[in-house]
Amino acid sequence: AQSVTQLDSQVPVFEEAPVELRCNYSSSVSVYLFWYVQYPNQGLQLLLKYLSGSTLVKGINGFEAEFNKSQTSFHLRKPSVHISDTAEYFCAVSSNTNAGKSTFGDGTTLTVKP
Amino acid sequence: NAGVMQNPRHLVRRRGQEARLRCSPMKGHSHVYWYRQLPEEGLKFMVYLQKENIIDESGMPKERFSAEFPKEGPSILRIQQVVRGDSAAYFCASSPPTSYYEQYFGPGTRLTVT
Repeated sequence: AQSVTQLDSQVPVFEEAPVELRCNYSSSVSVYLFWYVQYPNQGLQLLLKYLSGSTLVKGINGFEAEFNKSQTSFHLRKPSVHISDTAEYFCAVSSNTNAGKSTFGDGTTLTVKP
Repeated sequence: NAGVMQNPRHLVRRRGQEARLRCSPMKGHSHVYWYRQLPEEGLKFMVYLQKENIIDESGMPKERFSAEFPKEGPSILRIQQVVRGDSAAYFCASSPPTSYYEQYFGPGTRLTVT
């Protein structure tokens, strides 16, 4: 079985400040990891993904994440946020043995204040 | 290349009616997944389909829910005799045949049961 825990349900931050959204996962097999962003009343947009290789993954909109196998974490970071980054962010895990079944965290609401 | 398309975007049904949600995958994608998002929660896997086959339906409620992905046409998620607890956003995702874990999401159908 696999699971995802997003450690913060809400993260308020001021514009141009750095931000980190935390994600821990558990799985007994090798995993694929994803971060999605969801704007109000919209679908999910893929921010970035880790499949293999380099543990530092760069995505769209200036976001990046680091896969840490020993800590089973995949935290999302951005060095300087904008008002437009205000949204819900979801971490998800998948694997070869759970083909097709992505498991999502409960989400982190990022609110960027002026 | 058009993305994953879902219709309708919003659907209102009275208790006891049937709801039909449609999903057209991205061109070249042969795998379709349905997820449900209850208010204030993350996405929960429901079912994984390939053309004319249900691969994994472990997340589908045992009664009233069914899904299909026919040889021609969109995938359909069908909910019979809807109840208020079915009110949620239903998201469809699709993936190419060689990398089923790379899922691209549609905008969702927001079902409201009155």
